[in-house]
Amino acid sequence: NAGVTQTPKFQVLKTGQSMTLQCAQDMNHEYMSWYRQDPGMGLRLIHYSVGAGITDQGEVPNGYNVSRSTTEDFPLRLLSAAPSQTSVYFCASSYDLAGGLGTTDTQYFGPGTRLTVL
Amino acid sequence: QQQVKQSPQSLIVQKGGIPIINCAYENTAFDYFPWYQQFPGKGPALLIAIRPDVSEKKEGRFTISFNKSAKQFSLHIMDSQPGDSATYFCAAAIQGAQKLVFGQGTRLTINP
Repeated sequence: NAGVTQTPKFQVLKTGQSMTLQCAQDMNHEYMSWYRQDPGMGLRLIHYSVGAGITDQGEVPNGYNVSRSTTEDFPLRLLSAAPSQTSVYFCASSYDLAGGLGTTDTQYFGPGTRLTVL
Repeated sequence: QQQVKQSPQSLIVQKGGIPIINCAYENTAFDYFPWYQQFPGKGPALLIAIRPDVSEKKEGRFTISFNKSAKQFSLHIMDSQPGDSATYFCAAAIQGAQKLVFGQGTRLTINP
């Protein structure tokens, strides 16, 4: 298993440009999410999905779009990049986040994408 | 508004010492409390997790202590090693809500 893969590893954008961060998992996980990591802020949830065709907003969704057409893929779109979106982005997946006792609740993170917006 | 507050921001301990990282939460509906370990250039990885029906959980050299009445939980690392040097995040979630809320992170350095 490749686990959770993210592309690209690094990206530099100019203000106003758009791009898509790719995320894929091969563990047949229903739950996938996107986080951004900023110094002193921990990881903040951007968007998440509990299955194909189902997405919802997290803590900091503004400026980002997501879709989930397949179980495996969960791309994150930046519509018009701003310097405030400079961050490290992590995708994660799990079988069942915080499930009941006896369930598998490990959330697996990808290696991250370091994005700089000039 | 930070729902999970983590301290300290950074911590330096000598090899063999017992670093302690503390977290406090506000929402009494939280019922799942994981800790993640992150090495430079890598994504976080689940280290250990606890649910509020127990006050302590040990896995190897890592122990979570949980105080439900104080709404606090902490990570202890016994016999710490330089290889434990990493950033540690606490988090909290509500079962079934599928949302993890993270603390700010603690950069831990274990000196040889």
